[in-house]
This record gives sequence, structure tokens and C-alpha cells, in this order.
Amino acid sequence: AQSVTQLDSHVSVSEGTPVLLRCNYSSSYSPSLFWYVQHPNKGLQLLLKYTSAATLVKGINGFEAEFKKSETSFHLTKPSAHMSDAAEYFCVVTLRTGANNLFFGTGTRLTVIP
Amino acid sequence: EAQVTQNPRYLITVTGKKLTVTCSQNMNHEYMSWYRQDPGLGLRQIYYSMNVEVTDKGDVPEGYKVSRKEKRNFPLILESPSPNQTSLYFCASKGGNTGELFFGEGSRLTVL
Repeated sequence: AQSVTQLDSHVSVSEGTPVLLRCNYSSSYSPSLFWYVQHPNKGLQLLLKYTSAATLVKGINGFEAEFKKSETSFHLTKPSAHMSDAAEYFCVVTLRTGANNLFFGTGTRLTVIP
Repeated sequence: EAQVTQNPRYLITVTGKKLTVTCSQNMNHEYMSWYRQDPGLGLRQIYYSMNVEVTDKGDVPEGYKVSRKEKRNFPLILESPSPNQTSLYFCASKGGNTGELFFGEGSRLTVL
């Protein structure tokens, strides 16, 4: 069975401090992994994706994530939080294209304290 | 510009009055899908379509219909809306080798 677990429903950090949003997955196959961000009253925007190339993936706005197969994790990090990073973040796993095999995490709300 | 377009973005309606939320993508994607987003429940899939004339139920299909007569369009139909369908709805399409999802901006629906 396949699934995605976002370990924290809410994360709060101070501006300028590091961000860590955790995502674990279970999959019998090699997955593609994505992080999406949703700002208030907006759609979901792709932050970054892992598709079996480099395990350390860099995305937009200074975010990056590392695919760790041994830990079945794909945690999202950023060295220094900015106020504009406050949003909801979703981890998504897919197995292959052309099939309805998308699995969403339940989301992590990031609050940035001035 | 590659995009998924939903309309309307905001709608307030009354119980029982049929409505359609349109979704269109310009990326020639075969796969399209509808989701609803509710507080504490994340995104739940309503219906999806693997290609023209091929649609199937997702996790929460009750009270909804879809059609896929053309590749670019995937409308969501609420034949008789009820208050429990008040939600934020997203359309998405998927394509390419990576399976990346492209989302519309969302349609916020309120049923009174």
C-alpha cells in the first residue's frame, strides 16, 4: 500500500530561523515526490519535485528537500524563514504517470513569527 | 503559459439549484481530476479522468457528476447542491514523465 504522512499539522518558527517540514511515505515502488505550497485563498503551487535524479532537490524561494530512501522520507527545509513563507504545505507522492495513483499528505501549516 | 483555469472562482448558491464549475487546461494533459478541500481534511479526490470519455469516482463522488467530452475540459456538475457541499474545489491536470500536478486557482462554493 502507498501513503503519505506529514508528521506535523502545524509548525511555528521565528523569522530568520530554519524551517523543517516532515514527510514520510510508504511505497512498494520508486515514487515521484512533490512539495506544494498553498498561500491563503490561492491554489497549490509546485515548490519542488524528486523524480529519481539527484536526491537533494532545490526548489523555489530557497526551499530544498532530500529524498532518503532508507528512511522513506522527503523532508522540506529552508535555512532562514521569511514572513512570506507562512502558508500550508502539502507533500504528494505519485507512482507513475497515466494512472490515478496520487497520494496527498494532510498538510502542514507554517506560521512565521516576526 | 501552461495553466489550469477554473470558473467561477467564487459562488454562493441555494440548495437544489444546479450548478457547473468549469475547468480547462492548455497543456494537452490526458489526466484531470477534481478535489475538494475542507479544514482538517486536506484534499480529497471527487472524480478523475484518464482521458476523453473516461471518468471514474474518487474518494468522495456522492452528489457530483463530471464529463470529459474534450481533452482540455473537465467540468464538475452539482445537480442538486446541498450545504455539505460548501467547500473549496480544485481542478488539476497531470502529464509529462514526472506526474506533476498542475492546479487551478480554486473555486470557493457556498451552498445556503
